Amino acid sequence: SQQGEEDPQALSIQEGENATMNCSYKTSINNLQWYRQNSGRGLVHLILIRSNEREKHSGRLRVTLDTSKKSSSLLITASRAADTASYFCATDETGANNLFFGTGTRLTVIP
Amino acid sequence: NAGVTQTPKFQVLKTGQSMTLQCAQDMNHNSMYWYRQDPGMGLRLIYYSASEGTTDKGEVPNGYNVSRLNKREFSLRLESAAPSQTSVYFCASSGSGRSYNEQFFGPGTRLTVL
Repeated sequence: SQQGEEDPQALSIQEGENATMNCSYKTSINNLQWYRQNSGRGLVHLILIRSNEREKHSGRLRVTLDTSKKSSSLLITASRAADTASYFCATDETGANNLFFGTGTRLTVIP
Repeated sequence: NAGVTQTPKFQVLKTGQSMTLQCAQDMNHNSMYWYRQDPGMGLRLIYYSASEGTTDKGEVPNGYNVSRLNKREFSLRLESAAPSQTSVYFCASSGSGRSYNEQFFGPGTRLTVL
């Protein structure tokens, strides 16, 4: 399998704290994407970072990419209870025609 | 716009029964995908269609067939369901023939095979 690996598998924080989750992958990529999944729902795209980018921001989200270490991180600042969800990274790998999803980080934000 | 719609939302089958999962998108996307999601496994691609009239196998195609009926619709068929196919199935679409664009997901079909 070419799936990425997210770390940690589960994370529990207090509202207002920052949440950081990491993704590692194995092959060269064109881009890496992060998705969110609320319980019982489909995935929703959050942000895409291209292989030639190192950092990207979108609202309270900050994504970094280190292609030399084949890793990415997603930071959610000032977390809210509504951020409780599972977060997945997905890689668009060179030569492939589809995305490869990681196993996800389950984030719980306690009010 | 409804985005990506899937039917049914829930289904229970007996081993050996067949069924078709329906998916439609109204975003004029070229590419469509079928995934299954199992606990601890993330999403795994079953089949995809880069454009109308083409389909290709993904990571876990065995036991499934697909039809890209037109640009809007992409169906997934289980000819003879097995308990190992108990899963949540998601359909997705994206704008171009390459998956580097973001994918839009349907709400999922929860399938149980007894």
